[in-house]
Amino acid sequence: EAGVAQSPRYKIIEKRQSVAFWCNPISGHATLYWYQQILGQGPKLLIQFQNNGVVDDSQLPKDRFSAERLKGVDSTLKIQPAKLEDSAVYLCASSLPPNRAGNTIYFGEGSWLTVV
Amino acid sequence: ILNVEQSPQSLHVQEGDSTNFTCSFPSSNFYALHWYRWETAKSPEALFVMTLNGDEKKKGRISATLNTKEGYSYLYIKGSQPEDSATYLCALGGKLIFGQGTELSVKP
Repeated sequence: EAGVAQSPRYKIIEKRQSVAFWCNPISGHATLYWYQQILGQGPKLLIQFQNNGVVDDSQLPKDRFSAERLKGVDSTLKIQPAKLEDSAVYLCASSLPPNRAGNTIYFGEGSWLTVV
Repeated sequence: ILNVEQSPQSLHVQEGDSTNFTCSFPSSNFYALHWYRWETAKSPEALFVMTLNGDEKKKGRISATLNTKEGYSYLYIKGSQPEDSATYLCALGGKLIFGQGTELSVKP
């Protein structure tokens, strides 16, 4: 079974430039997440989609970050304009809808962003 | 805001040593506790999902216990091997609120 696919794996940009990351979840997984992991910290949830609807985007810096999942399958996360503090690993993850049994959430390998 | 704490932040052990880490979380409104293993440049690998107080799970040399009443989970590695070197993350809930991780280094 194919896992969560992400691209690009690595990106270096200058501050104030824009960048976009793409994610294709595991087939059949209705729930998709984007996490930001800054060095030395645990991953932080940026946005959660259920199919093509946003469930939670409370920690997404909406002045510069945007995300969409138009057809309920793959998703794009955009940063415009980038700041130095956006340097991080951006992890995409997917799962079956959460339930009381605690479904496993599967992660991609991440997109490593360096802003210089 | 839920706060998930992991200790220690880093751990250096010799091959063959057994080790354990702690994950602490608020005990109210417990949903599920996840453990992940993350090697650099790879996907975080799901180890366990734990939902019931008193849960004990095992995968090879790695095992975990859960106490939802006092708000902690332990992860144990028996007979550590160099390939166990990674960051071990615990996360709470359905949306995953992560701790900062425990970085394990196993020396041959």
